[in-house]
Amino acid sequence: EAGVTQFPSHSVIEKGQTVTLRCDPISGHDNLYWYRRVMGKEIKFLLHFVKESKQDESGMPNNRFLAERTGGTYSTLKVQPAELEDSGVYFCASSQDFPGRTVVPYEQYFGPGTRLTVT
Amino acid sequence: AQSVAQPEDQVNVAEGNPLTVKCTYSVSGNPYLFWYVQYPNRGLQFLLKYITGDNLVKGSYGFEAEFNKSQTSFHLKKPSALVSDSALYFCAVRAKAAGNKLTFGGGTRVLVKP
Repeated sequence: EAGVTQFPSHSVIEKGQTVTLRCDPISGHDNLYWYRRVMGKEIKFLLHFVKESKQDESGMPNNRFLAERTGGTYSTLKVQPAELEDSGVYFCASSQDFPGRTVVPYEQYFGPGTRLTVT
Repeated sequence: AQSVAQPEDQVNVAEGNPLTVKCTYSVSGNPYLFWYVQYPNRGLQFLLKYITGDNLVKGSYGFEAEFNKSQTSFHLKKPSALVSDSALYFCAVRAKAAGNKLTFGGGTRVLVKP
């Protein structure tokens, strides 16, 4: 079974440019999450999709960030325009949880991350 | 609001010695607790989780963790560390009534010396 994959693995862009990150979850996982780790600090939650719907986007820092999951398969996270403070590692994860029907939570499986550097 | 603290930025241990990585948490209600490990140039790998029941949880690669409700702790342990256990370890909490999002600690780097 293939794990969570992310593309690209690294991205270096200039301030003001646009970058789009992609995440392919484990097949059959309806839940997809985005997290990021900035400047070696804690890994912070950004948002949670259930299929194509945004279940929780409370962690999105501002409106320069746009996440989509058309068709409920892969997801993209666009940063436009990028700022210096957006540099960090962006992780994607997926899980099998079924909201409202899961008694025991499933673990989230993480991708290798995309290292974003804004110069 | 939920939070996780990993008080040690780095833990150094000699190979063969016991390894402990500390984690304390704050959450409303009963918590779900997780440990993940990140090896160099790799993503986070799930090690173990506490949901309910037995306070001692066994996970992958010989790791275990003990849930202590009164001390709000979930320390990760391994009886005999290997050089290959050198990595970055993250503790995370998820509140039952707060959706699926994980709140992570800052991470603890473990260095096992031969």
